[in-house]
Amino acid sequence: SAVISQKPSRDICQRGTSLTIQCQVDSQVTMMFWYRQQPGQSLTLIATANQGSEATYESGFVIDKFPISRPNLTFSTLTVSNMSPEDSSIYLCSVEVASTNEKLFFGSGTQLSVL
Amino acid sequence: GENVEQHPSTLSVQEGDSAVIKCTYSDSASNYFPWYKQELGKRPQLIIDIRSNVGEKKDQRIAVTLNKTAKHFSLHITETQPEDSAVYFCAASNTGNQFYFGTGTSLTVIP
Repeated sequence: SAVISQKPSRDICQRGTSLTIQCQVDSQVTMMFWYRQQPGQSLTLIATANQGSEATYESGFVIDKFPISRPNLTFSTLTVSNMSPEDSSIYLCSVEVASTNEKLFFGSGTQLSVL
Repeated sequence: GENVEQHPSTLSVQEGDSAVIKCTYSDSASNYFPWYKQELGKRPQLIIDIRSNVGEKKDQRIAVTLNKTAKHFSLHITETQPEDSAVYFCAASNTGNQFYFGTGTSLTVIP
């Protein structure tokens, strides 16, 4: 597998502010994704983080709200912008690891609460 | 896009009994089907997976079956133990592309 370091692990933020979540992987990865998991819900794909180019967003998610960077193969950031209480959720970085025949592994998640 | 449905949403079994969770998918191009276990407050952990060129795979007490024609796959846990209690998610992927997850099954194993 891979060691996926995600930070912060949790944060409490004020409405209208922004939070940037970082994801660092210790292995060569082919794909990096960002998921959202609302309380008691499933995993919803936000976007695919593309190295060196704009992320590919799923329906319902836009770049202005969730800007994503991926400056190299092993690092990505997700920003949750202009937050509202509806953004309270767990955000998970996930990666496909090349050496495991592209299996998907998850970071430990960021629990975000917006007041 | 892909649509993955998962049943049941909750499942309670007595310790030692078997548990079965079923998923269906819509995209015939999907060819990789992993299962994840998520304990409370933890990240989803990959527990078993199957690719479309295989009909069944087993790893100790856990097995997964795949019916490509019917577009459904199932997770089987035998001789359940209290530590098997968790939320289980199925997923479908066209290898190298996005993963789409089922809605989850909350499994409770009663001692």
